[in-house]
Formats: sequence, structure tokens, C-alpha cells
Amino acid sequence: AQKITQTQPGMFVQEKEAVTLDCTYDTSDPSYGLFWYKQPSSGEMIFLIYQGSYDQQNATEGRYSLNFQKARKSANLVISASQLGDSAMYFCAMSLMDSNYQLIWGAGTKLIIKP
Amino acid sequence: GAVVSQHPSWVICKSGTSVKIECRSLDFQATTMFWYRQFPKQSLMLMATSNEGSKATYEQGVEKDKFLINHASLTLSTLTVTSAHPEDSSFYICSARDPGTGILGYTFGSGTRLTVV
Repeated sequence: AQKITQTQPGMFVQEKEAVTLDCTYDTSDPSYGLFWYKQPSSGEMIFLIYQGSYDQQNATEGRYSLNFQKARKSANLVISASQLGDSAMYFCAMSLMDSNYQLIWGAGTKLIIKP
Repeated sequence: GAVVSQHPSWVICKSGTSVKIECRSLDFQATTMFWYRQFPKQSLMLMATSNEGSKATYEQGVEKDKFLINHASLTLSTLTVTSAHPEDSSFYICSARDPGTGILGYTFGSGTRLTVV
């Protein structure tokens, strides 16, 4: 069954520290995409980073990087030098090419950055 | 970049009335629209997937007669909550897919917070 698991319901991190948000996935499809989205309290979904199943290198976007370990089926998000504005819900999601490109969502992690 | 305009941002309605939520793609053709529901502190739950010009495909457990989805054009999809009840109070968010942008072609509306009193 296709599934995304985020095991950290909430995290507190000191400002300026790096933080890793965990995400594991389960699929038997060889072709898939992994996404991370940020959802602040206002509700909008903000795209952060994407990793394709065939990508050889880990994706990076500014302070965000994705630690993709295909054999372990994990796609952890790393935020470097955290800022107060990073406080939000973070969702990991998977897109499958064969399912009308539906996104399968994890339960989310609430990240709170402490000053 | 691609923008999806979702209206209204919030709405309060009386029990038994119907509410329509619109999602409009402003600068691209949304061949597929996903409608989600999100309860507080929970993840997004897919309600239905609609492709332009065809009937929506509803997820198991979602009442299609209660949540009417129309995707009559490539730029507009609507979700109508009919005979709303307090348990329908939730955050509803749409996501349009533009196949022209490949795998990254998901654009989200800003969401609608529905409160039924």
C-alpha cells in the first residue's frame, strides 16, 4: 500500500539550529516523486522541495535540503539555520505517476522555533 | 508562477444552507483539480479528483450528493457543500494540476475556512 509516515508530531528547535524532519514512504512503484510542503497558521500550502525517484543527487533549495535514502525509503527534510518564520506545519507527500498524480500525504510535523 | 485563486477565504453559514467554494486558475489550464478537507492539526484528506469536462471521482466515504464538484472549464472548479451541518465545518483547499509544468505542477488555493452554525 502507498503510504507516507511522519513520526514526529511536534518539534521544538532553538533559533539558528539545524532541524531534520523525518519522512518515510512505502510504494512498490518505481516512479514517484517526493515533496515537502510548509503550512503556516494562515493555511496556505507552500512548496519547499521536490525529489524524484530517479534523481541521483539530493535536492537542495536554499536553506532546505532533502536527505533521500532510497534503499531505506526515507526522504527527510533538513532546514539549516532555522528562523522564527520557519514555525509551521510541515507535510511530506508522495506523487505516483499511475494514480492520476494524486498526492499521498503524511500526518505532518508541527515545528516551533524558539528564540 | 501559476496561481490558483480560491474564494471565499472564510464563510459562516447556517445549518441547512448550501455553500459554494470556487477555485480559479489564473494563468494556466487546470486539467485536474484536487479537493481536500483538513481538520485542525490533521493532514489533508483528499475528497475528490476532477478532470475538466468529466464527473469527479470521489474518495471512499465522501458523499458525492453532499459535496458537489463541478469542473466545467479549464480554469474553474467549484465545490458546493449542500445542506451544510456543523460537522461539515472544516478547512477546504483545492489544488490544480497543470500538466505543462510536469511533476511539479501542483498549485494550491489559499483555502476556505467553513463554519456551519
